[in-house]
Amino acid sequence: GENVEQHPSTLSVQEGDSAVIKCTYSDSASNYFPWYKQELGKRPQLIIDIRSNVGEKKDQRIAVTLNKTAKHFSLHITETQPEDSAVYFCAAYIFSGTYKYIFGTGTRLKVLA
Amino acid sequence: DAGITQSPRHKVTETGTPVTLRCHQTENHRYMYWYRQDPGHGLRLIHYSYGVKDTDKGEVSDGYSVSRSKTEDFLLTLESATSSQTSVYFCAISEATSGRYEQYFGPGTRLTVT
Repeated sequence: GENVEQHPSTLSVQEGDSAVIKCTYSDSASNYFPWYKQELGKRPQLIIDIRSNVGEKKDQRIAVTLNKTAKHFSLHITETQPEDSAVYFCAAYIFSGTYKYIFGTGTRLKVLA
Repeated sequence: DAGITQSPRHKVTETGTPVTLRCHQTENHRYMYWYRQDPGHGLRLIHYSYGVKDTDKGEVSDGYSVSRSKTEDFLLTLESATSSQTSVYFCAISEATSGRYEQYFGPGTRLTVT
């Protein structure tokens, strides 16, 4: 069935270092891949997304890369700051008559000051 | 934040009682979704709607039903709550057409079944 695997489940980095989170999806028809950031007790917030006709997208310190052949995509955060500490979720957008999203299980990122 | 509200925001109920959670949007988006979030499982889709009176099951639909009688409202009902349904429930909306794929979440409802 449709599945999104996300790794690692936890990640600790020193402030100023980079963080990379990776996701793999199973449905080759997926064409949209968002990333969400969720702070403790809050709702998931869309932070960046990428479509299947693009290989990389950047927004200040965050970037997402997509490899459609390998069916994986990654979130890159550079110059990490304490406020980047949160849980990050990847997702794949699937169309099978109707539209739905399949989420990864999340990565807890801790940025150590 | 997109115009999405959920009610109630917190609820404690007893096993065996019916519970209804409400999601209300002011964005006129076609698609609405209900997810549950549990530690180690991420966000799992319960049910979703692609229009008024048009709904479909997600991956964890057992024990849940939904209804959508108006574009702006999507109700999630637990017919007879069980302790395994203790969770945080998020509603989400998406236009999902014309290339507008972004999905936005409501503030969540924390449900405890004792």
